[in-house]
Amino acid sequence: GENVEQHPSTLSVQEGDSAVIKCTYSDSASNYFPWYKQELGKRPQLIIDIRSNVGEKKDQRIAVTLNKTAKHFSLHITETQPEDSAVYFCAASMAAGNKLTFGGGTRVLVKP
Amino acid sequence: ETGVTQSPTHLIKTRGQQVTLRCSSQSGHNTVSWYQQALGQGPQFIFQYYREEENGRGNFPPRFSGLQFPNYSSELNVNALELDDSALYLCASSPVDSPLTSYEQYFGPGTRLTVT
Repeated sequence: GENVEQHPSTLSVQEGDSAVIKCTYSDSASNYFPWYKQELGKRPQLIIDIRSNVGEKKDQRIAVTLNKTAKHFSLHITETQPEDSAVYFCAASMAAGNKLTFGGGTRVLVKP
Repeated sequence: ETGVTQSPTHLIKTRGQQVTLRCSSQSGHNTVSWYQQALGQGPQFIFQYYREEENGRGNFPPRFSGLQFPNYSSELNVNALELDDSALYLCASSPVDSPLTSYEQYFGPGTRLTVT
């Protein structure tokens, strides 16, 4: 089955700096890659997603890039703010079954 | 448009007991997936229901079972509870036209289950 590895497990950045989280996946049949933000005690919140027919997608301060050949995708957060502090999860899904396989998460701390 | 809701919020059970968790999907969504999230880990897929039929199952034993109702709400049942079942149980709903395509999944707030 699919396996998703996520790095780093923790990331501390200064407010205003950029943060980058990287994920690799094992199954070349995966074609949908969402990113979720989970604040303490709250539900995972979908913040951005990308499909395998697209190489990059941007939404204000966040962007996701996908390299299908290397089977990795990354989340980029620019101009970080204290409210960006949370745990971020990447995930991968094959078309059939719509099952999400999650990475282990990255705890991001934005220091003011 | 209402979001995904789950009940109860918290639950404490004893090893060997049975539990039922409930999920109401977001308006217009016909697919519900259930995930188990242990402390400090990513969610693990349990199973998914599409139009009242199971549509995929993760690596969980048969004592984890589910149902989806005509209004697309869903239940997760766990029999013979074990200590390792202590976790946050999340459901997520999707607006799926075809089970062969991946769609956005929106999560509920979860049920925190503690097994003692």
